[in-house]
Amino acid sequence: EVQLVESGGGLVQPGGSLRLSCAASGFTFSDYEMNWVRQAPGKGLEWISYIDKRSTTIYYADSVKGRFTTSRDNAKNSLYLQMNSLRAEDTAVYYCGRWDGRGGDSWGQGTLVTVSS
Amino acid sequence: EIVLTQSPATLSLSPGERATLSCRASQSVSSYLAWYQKKPGQAPRLLIYDASNRATGIPARFSGSGSGTDFTLTISSLEPEDSAIYYCQQRSNWPPNSFGPGTKVDIK
Repeated sequence: EVQLVESGGGLVQPGGSLRLSCAASGFTFSDYEMNWVRQAPGKGLEWISYIDKRSTTIYYADSVKGRFTTSRDNAKNSLYLQMNSLRAEDTAVYYCGRWDGRGGDSWGQGTLVTVSS
Repeated sequence: EIVLTQSPATLSLSPGERATLSCRASQSVSSYLAWYQKKPGQAPRLLIYDASNRATGIPARFSGSGSGTDFTLTISSLEPEDSAIYYCQQRSNWPPNSFGPGTKVDIK
């Protein structure tokens, strides 16, 4: 069974940093591209980042470019999102998703990030 | 950047009724459009990819159609568990891999 489990969320002050992790199991992680998506309270889904199988191509939404860094460790079956210079508007549930080239076919349950003083 | 719009914002229907959801792209995305279902506290669920292909395990009451700029998700006979927000997402010209604003389906 495909499983994606996010962790690392929590309460952080504006300007602070947080690193999210996504542990993958039940499939060959290195065979898949991955995405990060978030949903702010009461808002819709927002795509924020994509990474290909070998980390050679990484994309970001303009809203996080220069502040967030996506990486992966295929040996550890893990995806990461390093979030710096956090703002109140980054408050959201963050989801990692497996991308099969046509859509996000599996997603984790999400981890909540709250940016507040 | 391709912008997706969805209509209506909210749809309130009874079980057994047909739901028709629309997604419009600001420029052609060919058939590179997916639909997702999102329930509170749950992960997004891929329903349809490439405009009209049902994802694995998705019931036959869900169907997608369209190409270019206009797309439709149809739920042929609503079940109570279909209460959710439905999002379209394009992969034709990205980044960004943008989502539409969503359509909320309420089951009366």
